[in-house]
Order: sequence, then structure tokens, then C-alpha cells
Amino acid sequence: GAVVSQHPSWVICKSGTSVKIECRSLDFQATTMFWYRQFPKQSLMLMATSNEGSKATYEQGVEKDKFLINHASLTLSTLTVTSAHPEDSSFYICSALQGLSGNTIYFGEGSWLTVV
Amino acid sequence: DAKTTQPPSMDCAEGRAANLPCNHSTISGNEYVYWYRQIHSQGPQYIIHGLKNNETNEMASLIITEDRKSSTLILPHATLRDTAVYYCIAGGGGGNKLTFGTGTQLKVEL
Repeated sequence: GAVVSQHPSWVICKSGTSVKIECRSLDFQATTMFWYRQFPKQSLMLMATSNEGSKATYEQGVEKDKFLINHASLTLSTLTVTSAHPEDSSFYICSALQGLSGNTIYFGEGSWLTVV
Repeated sequence: DAKTTQPPSMDCAEGRAANLPCNHSTISGNEYVYWYRQIHSQGPQYIIHGLKNNETNEMASLIITEDRKSSTLILPHATLRDTAVYYCIAGGGGGNKLTFGTGTQLKVEL
């Protein structure tokens, strides 16, 4: 299947700093990407939908100024957690929709964020 | 996205078929049925998806009822490596988002 890659796989940062997570579709173009977060023993929670060249659409309760999403190209979306706090520590996962009219969505390997 | 209902857990003997049910009674006409699985601390792995017809690939088969209100994922010969949380999602189609439910924890045992 298609490959979606995230970087970094894990990151530790200090409280108050910002951290960027990249999501790349390696062998296909993705006009739409999605960002999720997952806490231990819980399901994935959709944070936002990212469309190439336009502003992201955030789910209710997700702070857009805290979780900055940029989808500058058809193969790259980034999530920046600004002014991180320990409660932002989580597993962040991106996914990408294959093809302009496709309906298969592939997920990245996830990125573990620990804020200390 | 339509809400889905799955049993929280299931057990299966290695080598036997694992049949995972999913109810999606409020699915709309343009929504697909997707199945993903997640092994601890990894991103979800795509398994299969379908709209109306039954589908089969190298990993599994997807049986969708005629009224599309429920479906079954079939792993024909389960192995220990199939132990994971399996998510059934009704949604997508035209770039629409996928909303995850709580999934089914499948445990494959010797």
C-alpha cells in the first residue's frame, strides 16, 4: 500500500517551547491530510483536516492557535505544537487521502511527544 | 461520519478464521466502510474498505450486508501477529474525514 511517513517518531521538549511534526506522503499526492492525537488506551481523536493550499479545518475543542497546521505541498503537512505543556504529551498521528478523487486513507507511523 | 458499534473484545484461535462484526445502521449512501487495525504504539494499518459490494484482498475479506447497515471483517487464517485493535469506520468518500470509535481488541491465541 501507499506510504505515509512521520518525523520525528518521538520527541522530548521542554515546557513552553514549540515542536514541529512532519507528515509526508512518499509515493502519492495527498490533497487532504488529517491529524489525530491518541492518549494511552484510548481511540484516535481527530484534531483537524488539512487541505493543500488552504487553511486547516479544526474539530470542535481543538485550539487552532496552539496546534498550527500547514499543508504547503501535495506531499507534506506539518503540525506545530506551540508553547507546549505536559498535558500536550500524546501520540500524534497523521493520515493522507490518496489521490484527488481517491477514497483510501493511509496513516503514518505516529509521533510520540513528551513535554517535560 | 456515521457511528459504528463494535464488540469491545474478541478471542480467536490461531489458524482459525476471525470474524469481526460492525454495525453502522446510520451510514449514508456515499459513505464507505473502512477497516483499520492498530498494534500498540503504532499508526493504524489500512486493511480494506468497500462501499456496497463485498471486497477481498491479500489481508482480509469484507462482507457488507445488502442494506449496508452492518459488515463483517474476515481474517481467514488468524495468526498471533493479527492481535490488535480493529477499527470499523463508516465515512470517507470524497475526502471526508474518518472518525474512530473504540474498536475491537482481537486476541489471537495458540
